[in-house]
Amino acid sequence: GESVGLHLPTLSVQEGDNSIINCAYSNSASDYFIWYKQESGKGPQFIIDIRSNMDKRQGQRVTVLLNKTVKHLSLQIAATQPGDSAVYFCAENLHPSGGSYIPTFGRGTSLIVHP
Amino acid sequence: KAGVTQTPRYLIKTRGQQVTLSCSPISGHRSVSWYQQTPGQGLQFLFEYFSETQRNKGNFPGRFSGRQFSNSRSEMNVSTLELGDSALYLCASSPSLSSGANVLTFGAGSRLTVL
Repeated sequence: GESVGLHLPTLSVQEGDNSIINCAYSNSASDYFIWYKQESGKGPQFIIDIRSNMDKRQGQRVTVLLNKTVKHLSLQIAATQPGDSAVYFCAENLHPSGGSYIPTFGRGTSLIVHP
Repeated sequence: KAGVTQTPRYLIKTRGQQVTLSCSPISGHRSVSWYQQTPGQGLQFLFEYFSETQRNKGNFPGRFSGRQFSNSRSEMNVSTLELGDSALYLCASSPSLSSGANVLTFGAGSRLTVL
């Protein structure tokens, strides 16, 4: 498969554990954040998003927390499964003065789930 | 509905050659963005097209160019290839709604190797 994260931080967990993936974003004016998951051989896929007027949002087995004070995002995955093994990216979106949103992606974290 | 389709999936070129990559967005999506993904630099924005016009451009040299057709399909071209252009090139489409930032739907990418 594709190797897209040779120099990425890595998080190794046991199947069934909860995983927490962290992301520091750069621009305090960013107002929309998205987490993407990239499996080997595939492009990034949307997991969950959150707007800056919220500090927590829950999906199916995933929760995103936003701390604007320290410009930090986290993705929590409950009961991690082997299928969750992938590279996870956060993306910040800055409201443009004109034109469209262009997301800035973090470097990514490689999650490895051991059965 | 069909996802974002990128062709070719893999290609090998030599320095000095040029390459054209193709992207078919999700039906109804009018915005197409291109990203370069490398282990060292992560996901970097190349450009975005909307209604056949380049709406945003990243910080890449003029050797990188693109276009969008009336059916929203897009191509990107890299001329005078360099070894450092070896990367996974990802295309993403979005509906580009006027309400704000949109979630990107990515293709599987075109893996370019420059020898």
